[in-house]
Amino acid sequence: GIQVEQSPPDLILQEGANSTLRCNFSDSVNNLQWFHQNPWGQLINLFYIPSGTKQNGRLSATTVATERYSLLYISSSQTTDSGVYFCAVGGTGRRALTFGSGTRLQVQP
Amino acid sequence: GAVVSQHPSWVICKSGTSVKIECRSLDFQATTMFWYRQFPKQSLMLMATSNEGSKATYEQGVEKDKFLINHASLTLSTLTVTSAHPEDSSFYICSARDQAVNTEAFFGQGTRLTVV
Repeated sequence: GIQVEQSPPDLILQEGANSTLRCNFSDSVNNLQWFHQNPWGQLINLFYIPSGTKQNGRLSATTVATERYSLLYISSSQTTDSGVYFCAVGGTGRRALTFGSGTRLQVQP
Repeated sequence: GAVVSQHPSWVICKSGTSVKIECRSLDFQATTMFWYRQFPKQSLMLMATSNEGSKATYEQGVEKDKFLINHASLTLSTLTVTSAHPEDSSFYICSARDQAVNTEAFFGQGTRLTVV
């Protein structure tokens, strides 16, 4: 099946710093989503982005499908951004999502 | 975005008993729903695909007789953990997509199961 790798696995930032999270995938995808998992376990949808670039406030994401990677940018980080960020992909013929291992982000005041 | 509701949020049960978890799509219909499991500090792993009106499809290594899935309507799927044991303690999360739009997936709040 499709493989999804995320980097870095852990990231510690000072409040106000910017960061880039990366997601590499091993095959063509027709679905790519970024999630933030909060301390209670809830997965918050950040972006549905199988290709192209999107922005939502301090967050933006870019997927280059031909090169099989996606990037999540967080600008001016806040302590509430802390948590685990997951990239998940769906390939042709498979509607379920395959998750990467996540990036654990800690933003310090 | 679409809303997926999962109940209960947490449950504690005794070893040997069964626990049922419900997953509902509140504002859309879904012929297919998905059940994932997440152990502490790990990623989400797909357990099974729930198909409305037919049998569920289980991932390799997931016991279908232990994790019973029923998808009786276009808005409800249930996961029953039968004869639960401490090793079944985990975080269970369901997911669904609006079949009419077929784009992004939405997730329930998750159920934290503790078997004592």
